[in-house]
Amino acid sequence: SAVISQKPSRDICQRGTSLTIQCQVDSQVTMMFWYRQQPGQSLTLIATANQGSEATYESGFVIDKFPISRPNLTFSTLTVSNMSPEDSSIYLCSVQGYGNQPQHFGDGTRLSIL
Amino acid sequence: GENVEQHPSTLSVQEGDSAVIKCTYSDSASNYFPWYKQELGKGPQLIIDIRSNVGEKKDQRIAVTLNKTAKHFSLHITETQPEDSAVYFCAASKRVGNTGNQFYFGTGTSLTVIP
Repeated sequence: SAVISQKPSRDICQRGTSLTIQCQVDSQVTMMFWYRQQPGQSLTLIATANQGSEATYESGFVIDKFPISRPNLTFSTLTVSNMSPEDSSIYLCSVQGYGNQPQHFGDGTRLSIL
Repeated sequence: GENVEQHPSTLSVQEGDSAVIKCTYSDSASNYFPWYKQELGKGPQLIIDIRSNVGEKKDQRIAVTLNKTAKHFSLHITETQPEDSAVYFCAASKRVGNTGNQFYFGTGTSLTVIP
């Protein structure tokens, strides 16, 4: 399966600042996704990162708060904007090949907001 | 939309015993069911999956069963070992659009294998 690298692996940020998380895959993939995982909780889909066009956001998530880029088939970024303590969470990138294939996850970015 | 329920939320077993985790789903259009293992500090890792045209699949100590009529699927781990301790997530997936699938995850099961 694809090797997925996420950076940074963790960060501690001040309230009101923004952080950009990078996701790099070692092979071209069809789909890239961003999830949020609260401590001890399941995975919640934030958005699907579309190559060359605007991301598709799930209910409760908006582009102004979580802008996403996907300039090519192997790279995507998620920005968490104007952070508050409620944004403290694990942010996970996942990738999927064409068709009904499994998603594969990176190791996530552990974000704490002070 | 799809609703995936997972039970139990926590499970403790003695080393060598079997562990069973069960999930139900609501959308009959779901046709792909992966299971993920998440260790502390790591992302979820795919351990086994099953498609809707198959009733059972086995990979060494891990097996998954699917009952499409009842809309439930289960993960079975035999001869458990301490390294099996982790959080396990089930998921149900269905086709969305032309190229991708929507995954719906269960709430997770924290498995502890006691040496």
